Amino acid sequence: EPEVTQTPSHQVTQMGQEVILRCVPISNHLYFYWYRQILGQKVEFLVSFYNNEISEKSEIFDDQFSVERPDGSNFTLKIRSTKLEDSAMYFCASSDGTGDEKLFFGSGTQLSVL
Amino acid sequence: AQSVTQLDSHVSVSEGTPVLLRCNYSSSYSPSLFWYVQHPNKGLQLLLKYTSAATLVKGINGFEAEFKKSETSFHLTKPSAHMSDAAEYFCVVSGGGSQGNLIFGKGTKLSVKP
Repeated sequence: EPEVTQTPSHQVTQMGQEVILRCVPISNHLYFYWYRQILGQKVEFLVSFYNNEISEKSEIFDDQFSVERPDGSNFTLKIRSTKLEDSAMYFCASSDGTGDEKLFFGSGTQLSVL
Repeated sequence: AQSVTQLDSHVSVSEGTPVLLRCNYSSSYSPSLFWYVQHPNKGLQLLLKYTSAATLVKGINGFEAEFKKSETSFHLTKPSAHMSDAAEYFCVVSGGGSQGNLIFGKGTKLSVKP
């Protein structure tokens, strides 16, 4: 069964550093998403991406965040200057765009900001 | 605004006994509702989705959920728990924005005792 893959599974960084989280969505999917889950809190929507542009973003997704689909297979989330409160599990997801909103999620990248 | 409340943070059952995971929703319109499951070190996997076609929704692995508008509930059930059902379960509602903007509950951790 096709799956969404995320790398790395765990990323440790110093506060103020830039990080890039990588995702390979399912190959024929058209919509891509990032969610995050801070320890002990709910899974939260960050951003959706379609046709090489952001479709929607949440209040969390401020100017320090950006997303990119640099080639036909990868989808990345960049955090420009990490803060302690960015420590969380980040989930990538994709969907086929048929409107049924069935998202396929990766297993996540645990980001630890020290 | 859309929201979901999962009434139990932790449910423990014995193998072979029924499972009930409770979820109440709040929505200003007819919602799309989902249940996702997360096994340790795995991504979030869609169990089932309600979209108003039928109030009783059957999902994978023997799970089903019933949409009750009068009670604003969408509880997840399974007649007989299996050890492999031990995981975290999330009740999710469509956020009403762009496709894939999902609002998650806090999750219910299901433990299955032998």
